[in-house]
Amino acid sequence: DTGVSQDPRHKITKRGQNVTFRCDPISEHNRLYWYRQTLGQGPEFLTYFQNEAQLEKSRLLSDRFSAERPKGSFSTLEIQRTEQGDSAMYLCASSARTGGFYEQYFGPGTRLTVT
Amino acid sequence: RKEVEQDPGPFNVPEGATVAFNCTYSNSASQSFFWYRQDCRKEPKLLMSVYSSGNEDGRFTAQLNRASQYISLLIRDSKLSDSATYLCVVTVSGSARQLTFGSGTQLTVLP
Repeated sequence: DTGVSQDPRHKITKRGQNVTFRCDPISEHNRLYWYRQTLGQGPEFLTYFQNEAQLEKSRLLSDRFSAERPKGSFSTLEIQRTEQGDSAMYLCASSARTGGFYEQYFGPGTRLTVT
Repeated sequence: RKEVEQDPGPFNVPEGATVAFNCTYSNSASQSFFWYRQDCRKEPKLLMSVYSSGNEDGRFTAQLNRASQYISLLIRDSKLSDSATYLCVVTVSGSARQLTFGSGTQLTVLP
């Protein structure tokens, strides 16, 4: 499978615990994005990497959130001291320039439930 | 005001019907436009990019009106498998080109 993969697919955690998600992008894609989606809404942008550099962060990304892409390949998203409001689907996407467009392809997501 | 606005629906149409979705965006600096499709509890999947001149892909036609900041998607001869949520998406200029999504329009095609 050459698509974007994410692990785990589901995570249930208790409030206050830390969680870490992993994303493996399509191998030739140098751009990687994290989004968050809650029920009934479209995904919302969290952060963006070009290779290993984190170039943009949304105001949604509070101090409890940190993302890394240490070697410009896979990425991790960590949430510290989880809150019930963090319950959502966390989506990773990767892209490369194709015919003038940066078309983004999404992984299956990690569904987080904070109890 | 949301940056990308869509009619949430739901749209319930019979098989074979033609259905149209509309979307407006507020940022005049928006640069690229897409329609994504999302099945229940799945990830969004790119349906088609939207070009200034309009474009067609089989039963799907997308139109862009930059002056009115309006995007549309037309589905002809709808199939049961077209049932999904359709997300209107824009990007603005800048290095990140992050996607800004509408809330989606839910379509159910009925037998």
